[in-house]
Amino acid sequence: QKEVEQDPGPLSVPEGAIVSLNCTYSNSAFQYFMWYRQYSRKGPELLMYTYSSGNKEDGRFTAQVDKSSKYISLFIRDSQPSDSATYLCAMRNGATNKLIFGTGTLLAVQP
Amino acid sequence: GAVVSQHPSWVICKSGTSVKIECRSLDFQATTMFWYRQFPKQSLMLMATSNEGSKATYEQGVEKDKFLINHASLTLSTLTVTSAHPEDSSFYICSAVGYNEQFFGPGTRLTVL
Repeated sequence: QKEVEQDPGPLSVPEGAIVSLNCTYSNSAFQYFMWYRQYSRKGPELLMYTYSSGNKEDGRFTAQVDKSSKYISLFIRDSQPSDSATYLCAMRNGATNKLIFGTGTLLAVQP
Repeated sequence: GAVVSQHPSWVICKSGTSVKIECRSLDFQATTMFWYRQFPKQSLMLMATSNEGSKATYEQGVEKDKFLINHASLTLSTLTVTSAHPEDSSFYICSAVGYNEQFFGPGTRLTVL
């Protein structure tokens, strides 16, 4: 079993839709949870960074962490074609900066 | 914001040659940098952890004699792919740790003919 599981997609939605991206994990030592966006042939860029269970909102993006279920989500409201990219979840424990990545979900927002 | 650069952005080389990729943190100091490899439509696979002033720590299955890492200063780490072969063709991405976060470079696409 992989430490981090993520549905690879691809996921195709119409412009304006709400997108839900999810990851599950097995290591209860993970404390820090991140979502990265990666455009084709580019490096990942950090979108959201959360530490505790609960919700964190930043503009159209909301990150949700449920440590009891070992489940994290990223919601994108009013999705735009410019949101089309691969979204990677990543997480780490408190003792190291080493990140464990999900496989990434390819999102396409159709105009 | 924190910016990480990589050079070159792409490189094509002949089989058997060595290629050096640079990773720089432009506006912050990074005692720790990471090197990843990413194959098409796959996630990032950590290759090694680069620590300034000490030897790199390699992940299981990564040949340290083939992928030489040097972290000579707080703003520069280099990855040298020695005696490159076509199977080494990939997208190599570095990251630098600053402000308790990892900031990623734009990646280097290596093609070995």
